[in-house]
Amino acid sequence: QQQVKQSPQSLIVQKGGISIINCAYENTAFDYFPWYQQFPGKGPALLIAIRPDVSEKKEGRFTISFNKSAKQFSLHIMDSQPGDSATYFCAASTGNQFYFGTGTSLTVIP
Amino acid sequence: DGGITQSPKYLFRKEGQNVTLSCEQNLNHDAMYWYRQDPGQGLRLIYYSQIVNDFQKGDIAEGYSVSREKKESFPLTVTSAQKNPTAFYLCASIASGAVGYYYGYTFGSGTRLTVV
Repeated sequence: QQQVKQSPQSLIVQKGGISIINCAYENTAFDYFPWYQQFPGKGPALLIAIRPDVSEKKEGRFTISFNKSAKQFSLHIMDSQPGDSATYFCAASTGNQFYFGTGTSLTVIP
Repeated sequence: DGGITQSPKYLFRKEGQNVTLSCEQNLNHDAMYWYRQDPGQGLRLIYYSQIVNDFQKGDIAEGYSVSREKKESFPLTVTSAQKNPTAFYLCASIASGAVGYYYGYTFGSGTRLTVV
C-alpha cells in the first residue's frame, strides 16, 4: 500500500510558468514532509521541507503548501526554468521511517 | 566536505553471482538506509540500520543482505536469490535530533546495477 500518493507522474511546463506537484497521505502520525529533487544518474537532494504546524513554507522559487485537514501537500515552483527539469519526490515521515511518493518527472521547455 | 560515498557507480553482475555495494558516510549519522529505485516505482526500502551491529528489513529485503560493523559503513550484498536485481541503488543516512528526525535524508550518488 502506497503511504504517500504523488501526482502527476510527469509534467511539462513552459519556461517562466508555475509547476505544481501534489501529494496526499493517510497516516496522521506523519510529522515531517520533505521534497527531494533528483537529476538523472544522481541521488536525490533535499529541496525543501515542512512540518504540519505551518501551512506554507517558501524558499526562493520553491513553496510547499500544506493542508493538514485534507492530508495533502504540494510543491509549487514559480518562474520555472530549464534547469529545474528533474524528478521530484515528496515524502512523509514519522520518527526514523520515511515514505516516498512515486516521483514526478518535470520538463521545463525553453 | 561531509557526505555519503557510494561505490562503484556502475556494477555488472552475472547470473548466480553475489555482489556487494559499498556505502560510506562521514557525517557522523546514526541511521543508514538502502533504497532501490526502479522507473515509475519511486524509492523502495531494502534495509535500514539505526545503530552499529543492528539492522532491520525494509519492504523488499528478500535477496539482499547487509552488515553494520562500523558507524560509517553500511554495505549491501545483492545475492543470487534476488531474481531481478537490475536497478539503481541508493544509500542514505540521517542524523537523529533531540526532537526526532526533522532533518531529512542525505543520499549518496547511487550505484547502477545491471545483470549481464
